Amino acid sequence: GENVEQHPSTLSVQEGDSAVIKCTYSDSASNYFPWYKQELGKGPQLIIDIRSNVGEKKDQRIAVTLNKTAKHFSLHITETQPEDSAVYFCAATNTNAGKSTFGDGTTLTVKP
Amino acid sequence: DAGVIQSPRHEVTEMGQEVTLRCKPISGHNSLFWYRQTMMRGLELLIYFNNNVPIDDSGMPEDRFSAKMPNASFSTLKIQPSEPRDSAVYFCASSEVYSYNEQFFGPGTRLTVL
Repeated sequence: GENVEQHPSTLSVQEGDSAVIKCTYSDSASNYFPWYKQELGKGPQLIIDIRSNVGEKKDQRIAVTLNKTAKHFSLHITETQPEDSAVYFCAATNTNAGKSTFGDGTTLTVKP
Repeated sequence: DAGVIQSPRHEVTEMGQEVTLRCKPISGHNSLFWYRQTMMRGLELLIYFNNNVPIDDSGMPEDRFSAKMPNASFSTLKIQPSEPRDSAVYFCASSEVYSYNEQFFGPGTRLTVL
């Protein structure tokens, strides 16, 4: 089955700095890679996603890159703000099988 | 739309008791997922349904766990008998089947088994 590794497990940055979270996956059949943000006491919420036929996608301060050959993808947050503090999960999805495998999460802390 | 609805939000029970968690997916979504989240194991997929049919239950930890989806608007996850190691937050999520659409997560049920 699919195996997703996520690094780092914790990340602390100063407000205004950039944050980068990296994930690797094992199953070449995975073709969709969403990123979720989970705030305390809530369920994960999608913040950005990328399909396997795209190398990069950007949405305001958030961007995701995908390297299919190396089987890794990354989340980039620029100009971080305290409200970006949360747990971030990457996931690798095989849309033909209909299931996602999640990474273990990264706890991001943005210090004001 | 109210989003994915889960009940109860918190459940405290004693070891050996039966626990039933409930989920109402977003109307029109035809895939439903049950996840368990713990500090030790992260977010684990337990089972998922497409069009009310269980597709993959390989994540269900033991026979003590069972899940049903009698119709498109309701699903249950049952633990019988419950054990302390079942203590976790259980999430239900729904999405449109076989698509690139996101999974919408409910608020979760925090289960504590004493």
